Amino acid sequence: SSELTQDPAVSVALGQTVRITCRGDSLKTYYATWYQQKPRQPPLLVFYDKNTRPSGIPDRFSGSSSGNTASLTITGAQAEDEADYYCFSREMSGDHGVFGTGTKVTVL
Amino acid sequence: LHLQESGPGLVKPSETLSLTCSVSGDSISRSSPYWGWIRQSPGKGLEWIGSIFYRGDTFYSPSLKSRVSMSVDTSRNQFSLNLTSVTAADTALYYCARLKDKVLVLFWGQGTMVTVSS
Repeated sequence: SSELTQDPAVSVALGQTVRITCRGDSLKTYYATWYQQKPRQPPLLVFYDKNTRPSGIPDRFSGSSSGNTASLTITGAQAEDEADYYCFSREMSGDHGVFGTGTKVTVL
Repeated sequence: LHLQESGPGLVKPSETLSLTCSVSGDSISRSSPYWGWIRQSPGKGLEWIGSIFYRGDTFYSPSLKSRVSMSVDTSRNQFSLNLTSVTAADTALYYCARLKDKVLVLFWGQGTMVTVSS
């Protein structure tokens, strides 16, 4: 299956740590990519490949993976981190991409 | 880098949706050879539509492959999306994007809303 499944919503207290998970068979083969989307904005790449954060993305964002599960961790969540987060991976063929179902992160 | 989508905001059912992405701030054939399209239905998640190599090789989502085509015009620094036989299910915000390694979206345009309705 090429589906990527995420929990619909998680909440985190300001300054605490939250982990967003993504599950799918393709993650056994390919690294997950993570995007942050705030209302009325296009998604923003926040983490990709094994350990790459684009320029300008705070180091409180980190990624990890094990088996068919990938995770994005926000260590010390800030109010501006409140957003929808989508994982992404290649499909098993390698020639197409598939997005996860998305997780809404609320910072309390 | 700036990506700007353009095209009709309203398309009738069964007709063809056509969008163009204009790239500025870099050459479409020099910096990153892959470009692509993603869409987001209102209030829903993201769907990867496909990608195109600057020389014209295309890679389409299996679920849309029968209706999608993409092209690139290096002289105009643009690439385009055609989606045939549209239905209401194709109503979405369509993003053009710069890709890495054929599928990974590095940078997004602002998106253009397309509504399919008679």
